[in-house]
Order: sequence, then structure tokens, then C-alpha cells
Amino acid sequence: QKEVEQDPGPLSVPEGAIVSLNCTYSNSAFQYFMWYRQYSRKGPELLMYTYSSGNKEDGRFTAQVDKSSKYISLFIRDSQPSDSATYLCAIGKGAGNQFYFGTGTSLTVIP
Amino acid sequence: DAGVTQSPTHLIKTRGQQVTLRCSPKSGHDTVSWYQQALGQGPQFIFQYYEEEERQRGNFPDRFSGHQFPNYSSELNVNALLLGDSALYLCASSKNGGQPQHFGDGTRLSIL
Repeated sequence: QKEVEQDPGPLSVPEGAIVSLNCTYSNSAFQYFMWYRQYSRKGPELLMYTYSSGNKEDGRFTAQVDKSSKYISLFIRDSQPSDSATYLCAIGKGAGNQFYFGTGTSLTVIP
Repeated sequence: DAGVTQSPTHLIKTRGQQVTLRCSPKSGHDTVSWYQQALGQGPQFIFQYYEEEERQRGNFPDRFSGHQFPNYSSELNVNALLLGDSALYLCASSKNGGQPQHFGDGTRLSIL
């Protein structure tokens, strides 16, 4: 069983739509949850970083963690064509421990 | 404020050769982690260096080795290259191995 599972998509939405991206994980010891955005031929760029259950909002982005279900989500409001990229979730136990990435979800926002 | 920088950007090698990739961490960071990202996949953790020592290692063979220098920069060495080693190699840095990690744009390695 993989440490983290992510639906690879691809996902295609019209501009202005609300996008929901999700990951599930297997180990309840994981405490750190991150979402990265990766444009083609670029490295991953950190979008959101959370430590606990609940919601964290930053502009049009909201990260949600449900530790009881081992489920994390990223919501993008008012999606823009510039949001078209691959979104990666990453999960880990903390300093000195490795982090596990999902396979990434490819998102295209159509103008 | 310089971010994570990696060199070279692209590299082409043949099977059996050896390769060295380089990484300079973000200013203020002392921990470097290396990842392999195959096409269409998420990054896979290779190892992490802190205080010039390998602190954590993923499921990669001994052909993959590394080094961290006193200025916190790091090298990834891969020996006896295989076709399956073709991938984007990413370096990420952080403070004391914590979060969040910041990534460079990677070195794209192609094996012929």
C-alpha cells in the first residue's frame, strides 16, 4: 500500500470554477501536510503548509485536513488559467523524516 | 534572496557512466534533500543531508550517493547509470530538516 494516494486526473474546468483536489494517506503518524504546484519544466512551488486538522486559507486557496479520515484537500476558488499546473500533495512525520508525495493531479483551467 | 539553485539544467549520459549533480540551498537553510521525479509521477525521496551527514535515506540503491559541504551545498552522485535513472532530479532545502521545504527547478537527466 502506498503511503499517499492522489487521483492523477487530468482535471479540466472552466475559468471561475471551484476546484477540489484530494489525497488520502495510510499512516496516522503523519502530522505535516503540504500542497505544491508544479508548472511544466519547473520545480514544485509550495502553496500551503498545515500541521493540524482543520482548514487553512490563503487567498483563493484553502487547505483542509481530516486526520480521522486520513484525507486532505485543496480547494481553489475563482480558478484562473494561470492555475493550470500539476498539484502535488506531500505528507510527512516531521524533521529528520522523509516526506511522501502523491503522483500529482494535472489541472487545466479553460478561459 | 536567492532560492534553491541546481546545476546543470540538463544532462545527457550513456548507460554505465557516472554523473554528479549540484545544489545550493536557499539562504538561511542548512538541510538538503534530494528527490527523483519520473515523468508523470510525484517526487521520490532519495536522501537528506544535515550537518554534512546523511540523516535519512529512501528506497534507493547504493549507486546513489551524496555529499554535503560546510557551506551547506550538496552533490548527488549516481554510478553505473541505467536507462531507468532518466528523470528530473530535484533538490529541496529547509531549516534543520523541518518544513516547509523549498525546491529548485531540478536537473533533467537523460540516459541513452
